[in-house]
Amino acid sequence: AQSVTQLGSHVSVSEGALVLLRCNYSSSVPPYLFWYVQYPNQGLQLLLKYTTGATLVKGINGFEAEFKKSETSFHLTKPSAHMSDAAEYFCAVSGVNNDMRFGAGTRLTVKP
Amino acid sequence: SAVISQKPSRDICQRGTSLTIQCQVDSQVTMMFWYRQQPGQSLTLIATANQGSEATYESGFVIDKFPISRPNLTFSTLTVSNMSPEDSSIYLCSVEDRPWTGETYNEQFFGPGTRLTVL
Repeated sequence: AQSVTQLGSHVSVSEGALVLLRCNYSSSVPPYLFWYVQYPNQGLQLLLKYTTGATLVKGINGFEAEFKKSETSFHLTKPSAHMSDAAEYFCAVSGVNNDMRFGAGTRLTVKP
Repeated sequence: SAVISQKPSRDICQRGTSLTIQCQVDSQVTMMFWYRQQPGQSLTLIATANQGSEATYESGFVIDKFPISRPNLTFSTLTVSNMSPEDSSIYLCSVEDRPWTGETYNEQFFGPGTRLTVL
């Protein structure tokens, strides 16, 4: 069975600062890992995903994440935060059966 | 990627009534999922709906409370029955689709959600 832990339910950064949202996973099989973003009053949108191959994956809106098997982590980063990045971010993991499990979410606030 | 619509987008309902939420996909998909997102919380899977078979419910969710229909490969409904204020949540439909032929994993695409408030 897979599970995901997101460290920090709320992260606040200044505009232009580095964004780092932490995600650790547990999986008995090689995982597929995802980051989703949810803007207010909207559904979830896929930011990026790791399946196989290159461990550093780039997504939309300048976000990227690195799969580190030794640390069982898949942290999401963006070099410079923008006001429009304020949203809820969910890390998710799925395994061989493609059943997806979501983390508790991290709310990102960007201060001007 | 699949495009998903949900109806209604939001509703306010009285305790004891039922609401049926519709999910429409613009392409044929095998697996559809229903999630609940309670205020300030993450997504919890309610059930998986496959066409032609009964839905598979996760622990803590039962068919009498959340009956699901899946009449074809592009449509599903979720009914929230005998509602109470604790059912106030966002209900999300998602579908599983393989991004392109040859991939070994499926991506999930989400509808915009139905925001339900029960008074």
